[in-house]
Amino acid sequence: EAQVTQNPRYLITVTGKKLTVTCSQNMNHEYMSWYRQDPGLGLRQIYYSMNVEVTDKGDVPEGYKVSRKEKRNFPLILESPSPNQTSLYFCASSPSRYNYGYTFGSGTRLTVV
Amino acid sequence: QKEVEQNSGPLSVPEGAIASLNCTYSDRGSQSFFWYRQYSGKSPELIMSIYSNGDKEDGRFTAQLNKASQYVSLLIRDSQPSDSATYLCAAPGYSSASKIIFGSGTRLSIRP
Repeated sequence: EAQVTQNPRYLITVTGKKLTVTCSQNMNHEYMSWYRQDPGLGLRQIYYSMNVEVTDKGDVPEGYKVSRKEKRNFPLILESPSPNQTSLYFCASSPSRYNYGYTFGSGTRLTVV
Repeated sequence: QKEVEQNSGPLSVPEGAIASLNCTYSDRGSQSFFWYRQYSGKSPELIMSIYSNGDKEDGRFTAQLNKASQYVSLLIRDSQPSDSATYLCAAPGYSSASKIIFGSGTRLSIRP
């Protein structure tokens, strides 16, 4: 089944404790992206990647890191999480940078206390 | 002005009626538009895309695009309770065509 897999689905952590949210797609998609979704603010892009070893900042990149060492994986790293990073996170992929029919992962609800 | 704007709702529509969801966008150069549906607690899923002026129909869904008015809409005919969700309008970003910009979504509720 073609899908984007995110883990974990739920995560509660403490301020400052480094964490990684994994994202993997099995569709050989070139383009991958991370979004956060907050009430009233909609989906905001954190980082995106157009291909292996090519990443760029989205609209709200502060406090986040990403890497794209393999085509299928695009992990999101929070080096020192803070409470304002409490949010619902989605990973998405598409065949190419100009194909806007994104496939989303199931989401990761992160709480930072 | 936000690049893609939607009325947040909630929009309440009786079962069997037509639900009309609207979206305006700021970039006159936008060539393509997308509607995503998001059930509560779930991820967005693409339900319609439209690239040219006029109507595009897919089952009970019709997307309408008016580039002159910078307006795109989604009509849902014969609304069902299963259509209750948040609908997100999206368009390629003005500053970067490598991504799409999502509106904040309209919450639709179909009442029996």
